[in-house]
Amino acid sequence: NAGVTQTPKFQVLKTGQSMTLQCAQDMNHNSMYWYRQDPGMGLRLIYYSASEGTTDKGEVPNGYNVSRLNKREFSLRLESAAPSQTSVYFCASSDTGAPGNTIYFGEGSWLTVV
Amino acid sequence: GENVEQHPSTLSVQEGDSAVIKCTYSDSASNYFPWYKQELGKRPQLIIDIRSNVGEKKDQRIAVTLNKTAKHFSLHITETQPEDSAVYFCAASKRSDSWGKLQFGAGTQVVVTP
Repeated sequence: NAGVTQTPKFQVLKTGQSMTLQCAQDMNHNSMYWYRQDPGMGLRLIYYSASEGTTDKGEVPNGYNVSRLNKREFSLRLESAAPSQTSVYFCASSDTGAPGNTIYFGEGSWLTVV
Repeated sequence: GENVEQHPSTLSVQEGDSAVIKCTYSDSASNYFPWYKQELGKRPQLIIDIRSNVGEKKDQRIAVTLNKTAKHFSLHITETQPEDSAVYFCAASKRSDSWGKLQFGAGTQVVVTP
């Protein structure tokens, strides 16, 4: 039981390049999330998926797209990377989207855009 | 939307002393308040949470108190140990959200010196 697994762990991109962050969970959770973490700003929600087949915007969705490929997988795509997207990205999941369900985080992906 | 403020941003304590972190929230409809601990380079992990129908919750050396009237909640760590050194995040969410949106505070860096 690996929990939430995300790849890659580290990535350096040039401005304008695209890339996809992959995430998979093996806890049979319905809800999945992508957060970004910047110094002094806590964690901010980019996109979420309440259940398979649904996705919606969070607090900071601009510049990102997501795909809920199936119940296990939720990917985050940067179409044209910008230096402002340099951040640590965390994928997360929970049993359901209801408040009170523990949200489990992946180990994080460190992305640098130069 | 919800706004969560967290203080202090950094906290240095001697081993064995107590540490207190305070958070305030703006949305009176918020009813779920988790605390996450993040060690350097690691993922955030839930350490304790409280719901709005409870004023205090304790788990060994950590406790959380909630004052709904004043819209603030606090994390208390007693008999601090070096392994308590980490960044702590408070968060809030509300029942009316159909999904697990957590609004995080900016974090508190706790340093426990032997």
